[in-house]
Amino acid sequence: DVKVTQSSRYLVKRTGEKVFLECVQDMDHENMFWYRQDPGLGLRLIYFSYDVKMKEKGDIPEGYSVSREKKERFSLILESASTNQTSMYLCASSLDRDSWIIYSGNTIYFGEGSWLTVV
Amino acid sequence: KNQVEQSPQSLIILEGKNCTLQCNYTVSPFSNLRWYKQDTGRGPVSLTIMTFSENTKSNGRYTATLDADTKQSSLHITASQLSDSASYICVVSENGVTGGGNKLTFGTGTQLKVEL
Repeated sequence: DVKVTQSSRYLVKRTGEKVFLECVQDMDHENMFWYRQDPGLGLRLIYFSYDVKMKEKGDIPEGYSVSREKKERFSLILESASTNQTSMYLCASSLDRDSWIIYSGNTIYFGEGSWLTVV
Repeated sequence: KNQVEQSPQSLIILEGKNCTLQCNYTVSPFSNLRWYKQDTGRGPVSLTIMTFSENTKSNGRYTATLDADTKQSSLHITASQLSDSASYICVVSENGVTGGGNKLTFGTGTQLKVEL
C-alpha cells in the first residue's frame, strides 16, 4: 500500500527555533512536495523536488528551505520559526515529472500532515 | 491568475441523501482536474482524476463530471453516509509549466457534514 509518512504529527516550537519536518515515501516516486494548509486559503506550495538534490521554489518559499539527499526523503526546514508559520504542513509525492506530457493521471499521495504551532 | 473556486463553502445533508459539489476554474493550459477527500486532521486522499477528454468518472458512490469548455466540474455523492463527512478539495493541474512538474492550483474546499 502506498505510504507517505510525516514523522511528526504535532509540534510546538518557540519563535526563533530551527524546525525540521521530515517526510518519507516508500513508492520510489520522483516528485515530492511540501504544502501548507491554512483555513480559507487552500493548500499552498512551499517547495517541490523532482529528483535527488533538486529543488524548486513554490508559491510561498520565504522563510523555508528544503533538503532532498535521498529519493525517498524530503525535509522541510524552518531556519528561524515565526508565529506566522503556525500551520498544518502536508508532504506529498507523485510518480513522474509530467511537465511535458499532456496527460498525467498519476495520483499525488499526501501524508497525514504535521500540525506546527509556533509560540 | 489561475484560480479554482468551489461552492458551496459548506453543506449539511441527511444521511442517505445525494449532494453535488461544484468547482469552477480558470487554469490554463489545462492538464487535469482532481477531486480529493480530506477527513478532519488527515491528509487528502484522491477520489478521481480527469483529463480534458473525460466527461465523467466514477469511484463508488462518487461521480465527477468535467466540462472543459465551460471550465466547470462537479462531484456528485450518492446515498451519503456519515463517513462522507469531510472537506472535498478540487485541484486543477496546469500543463507543462516548469521542469519540476505541472503546477497545481487548489480550491479551498467544500466542508460536507452528513447527519442522521
